[in-house]
Amino acid sequence: DIQMTQSPSSVSASVGDRVTITCRASQGIASWLAWYQQKPGKAPKFLLFAASSFHSVVPSRFSGSGSGTDFTLTISSLQPEDFATYYCQQANSFPLTFGGGTKVEIK
Amino acid sequence: QITLKESGPTLVKPTQTLTLTCTFSGFSLSTSGVGVGWIRQPPGKALEWLALIYWDDDNRYSPSLKSRLTLTKDTSKNQVVLTMTNMDPVDTATYYCAHRAEYRAYFDYWGQGTLVTVSS
Repeated sequence: DIQMTQSPSSVSASVGDRVTITCRASQGIASWLAWYQQKPGKAPKFLLFAASSFHSVVPSRFSGSGSGTDFTLTISSLQPEDFATYYCQQANSFPLTFGGGTKVEIK
Repeated sequence: QITLKESGPTLVKPTQTLTLTCTFSGFSLSTSGVGVGWIRQPPGKALEWLALIYWDDDNRYSPSLKSRLTLTKDTSKNQVVLTMTNMDPVDTATYYCAHRAEYRAYFDYWGQGTLVTVSS
């Protein structure tokens, strides 16, 4: 199985801050990576796929990059609605696996 | 507009079998390339992929749970059914069904989730 490791597990930030979340795969997954945002009590929301492509209407302050084993999700200017937990997921091979999540909290 | 909704028991006893139904609209599971997956999330923990069924009845399961899981579909009712046998308290989680994205096994639309508690 491909293990997905996210860091940090949590980050405290202020509105307007730049936040970067890292996801590392235990083996190469090309660009077959997605990012999801989850707010408390809600289902995950699909943000990005193929490491850097947007799904539907995702604010341009979100961006993704990476390939192989190392990936990042960046929020360029944190907004109040961005406080949530973010998960990465690899779709390179079965079994599909998710990262442990990164909680973005208000400082 | 794609929507999905999970239904089933909220409480099951240890050793019992859990049956969850995902009822969806906005797509057909008889269309080439379409799939529906199941993902669960124990309280306060991360997401865990369980299974995925494709339009052509190709089913994929998490290896760690494969012996306990069965996926079936009813295309006429727009439903997918997940069965999990021998339930244990560690299986307590919110169970989500989700639509597989067109281009890869990502999940672009999710149901609201249903919390299943395993307790005697």
